[in-house]
Amino acid sequence: AQSVTQPDIHITVSEGASLELRCNYSYGATPYLFWYVQSPGQGLQLLLKYFSGDTLVQGIKGFEAEFKRSQSSFNLRKPSVHWSDAAEYFCAVPGDDKIIFGKGTRLHILP
Amino acid sequence: SQTIHQWPATLVQPVGSPLSLECTVEGTSNPNLYWYRQAAGRGLQLLFYSVGIGQISSEVPQNLSASRPQDRQFILSSKKLLLSDSGFYLCAWTGRRQGLEKLFFGSGTQLSVL
Repeated sequence: AQSVTQPDIHITVSEGASLELRCNYSYGATPYLFWYVQSPGQGLQLLLKYFSGDTLVQGIKGFEAEFKRSQSSFNLRKPSVHWSDAAEYFCAVPGDDKIIFGKGTRLHILP
Repeated sequence: SQTIHQWPATLVQPVGSPLSLECTVEGTSNPNLYWYRQAAGRGLQLLFYSVGIGQISSEVPQNLSASRPQDRQFILSSKKLLLSDSGFYLCAWTGRRQGLEKLFFGSGTQLSVL
């Protein structure tokens, strides 16, 4: 069955520092993979998605993610974080008629 | 353009009371509809989804039920709330032609059961 694992529940970085959030997937074939972001008390917003082709995917708000089949990973990165990036981030993979989310990584930003 | 409405935004209910959360989608037809719950430390859990009127799939056994009386209306209910039903409930939809990645979320309902 399809699944995603986000090994880090909380991540804290300083403003201006680089960021990498980890996601590992389990999928029977070439996966579709997504990253969503959730600001406090809000719904989720799609950051980026991978379907096929170029393994480095660009998203909104300066985020990117790299699909690595050999590592079954789809890590989210940003070169320099801003205080407004503090949120919860979810990796996701599609199942039958539904999206399966990881447990999320909460990002804290230090001033 | 498509929009999704979810209400109420916050709800405080006593244990044993009934629950009804409503979600409606505008600007599209025949959407897939979803109810997710987000409890502290447990991530985003899919509760129910529906691919058509009257078609409900339940992902986890629980104290809740869902109904889809109209094409763009999805209702989450309970006859008697439990403390463990507290959480942040999110409704979402996607269109068949857009693919599952185009999952749009409502702004959520924070439910506190006391």
